Amino acid sequence: AQSVAQPEDQVNVAEGNPLTVKCTYSVSGNPYLFWYVQYPNRGLQFLLKYITGDNLVKGSYGFEAEFNKSQTSFHLKKPSALVSDSALYFCAVRGMNTGFQKLVFGTGTRLLVSP
Amino acid sequence: GAGVSQSPRYKVAKRGQDVALRCDPISGHVSLFWYQQALGQGPEFLTYFQNEAQLDKSGLPSDRFFAERPEGSVSTLKIQRTQQEDSAVYLCASSLVRWTSGGPNTGELFFGEGSRLTVL
Repeated sequence: AQSVAQPEDQVNVAEGNPLTVKCTYSVSGNPYLFWYVQYPNRGLQFLLKYITGDNLVKGSYGFEAEFNKSQTSFHLKKPSALVSDSALYFCAVRGMNTGFQKLVFGTGTRLLVSP
Repeated sequence: GAGVSQSPRYKVAKRGQDVALRCDPISGHVSLFWYQQALGQGPEFLTYFQNEAQLDKSGLPSDRFFAERPEGSVSTLKIQRTQQEDSAVYLCASSLVRWTSGGPNTGELFFGEGSRLTVL
């Protein structure tokens, strides 16, 4: 069964500094990997996904993530954080096997960007 | 509509009451998912529909939970005899593509804002 670990409950960063939100995964075979962001009282919004190809994936709002197969990681990054990036971030994984494969989410990491 | 719409946004139920939560997916989206998000946790999968067919209901926590999507569009999640542990945000998501085929066309899920259920 697939699973996702987000080891940090919260990440604090100053505005303008680079940020990293960590994610490691476990899945049988190759993964599909996703990052979602959740603002207060809002639904989850898609940021980016890794399906195949280039290990560095670029997404919305200047975010990017790097797929590392040997470390089974998919860390979310941004070169320069904004206060408006403060939100709850979820990593998710789905297996590539045929048939229905559910999307499994991590427990989330709260990002706080200070002015 | 432009996005996934869920109603009601907030529901307070007394223990033992039945509740029904509605999801209106993006028009034309084949796949529909229900997730449960407890406070401070990530979304947990409940069930998956491909058009009107419920292909996976392995995440439903008990036989008090029932979901349907009779015409392959609107879906309803019903919880019978609610218990306090059912208190959570119930998220609906839809996707344009089938989630049984995988491949490079695997699309993202579009989530509604959720229905927050509080059972007293």
